[in-house]
Amino acid sequence: DIQMTQSPSTLSASVGDRVTITCRASQTIISWLAWYQQKPGKAPKLLIYEASRLESGVPSRFSGSGSGTEFTLTISSLQPDDFATYFCLQHYFYPLTFGGGTKVEIE
Amino acid sequence: EVQLVESGGGLVQPGGSLRLSCAASGFSFSTYWMNWVRQAPGKGLEWVANVKQDGSDKHYVDSVKGRFTISRDNAKNSLFLQMNSLRAEDTAVYYCARGQSGSNDGHSEYWGQGTLVTVSS
Repeated sequence: DIQMTQSPSTLSASVGDRVTITCRASQTIISWLAWYQQKPGKAPKLLIYEASRLESGVPSRFSGSGSGTEFTLTISSLQPDDFATYFCLQHYFYPLTFGGGTKVEIE
Repeated sequence: EVQLVESGGGLVQPGGSLRLSCAASGFSFSTYWMNWVRQAPGKGLEWVANVKQDGSDKHYVDSVKGRFTISRDNAKNSLFLQMNSLRAEDTAVYYCARGQSGSNDGHSEYWGQGTLVTVSS
């Protein structure tokens, strides 16, 4: 199985900060990676797919980059609504696997 | 508007069975891969299984192989997960999620709100 190592597990930041979250795959997944945002008690929300494509309706402060085994999700200027947990997902190999999650907290 | 509504969760004893359902609307159900993803309380997301548009191809995470069966009824726009030999570690919120419309599945864009399965004596 492909292991997705996500870091950091927790991130403390302030409104307006630039935030970067990383996912590393245990083997190449080309660009078959998605990023999700999840708030407590809610279903995950798709932000980025195919590593860098912004899902319709998602604010442009979110961006994704990377290919192969290393990927990043960047929030250019953190907003109050962005405090949540973020997960990456690889869908190149079965079983599909998620990263462990990054909780973005208010500093 | 795409809607996915899960049902069938509840409390079940270890070794028991449960059948989850997902009612889909707002899109052409028969043209999309469909997935089940679960989340144990306070934990991360775990992909469980998916099924191809016509039901001819199915994939599972190792921990549920031989115990869970994914199926679909395209005439009723419904997805199912039959869960047998349930264990405490299967306790989770189970989400139904719409996959892709092509020959291969990919990221899930739409998710239901989830149904809680609790396995406990």
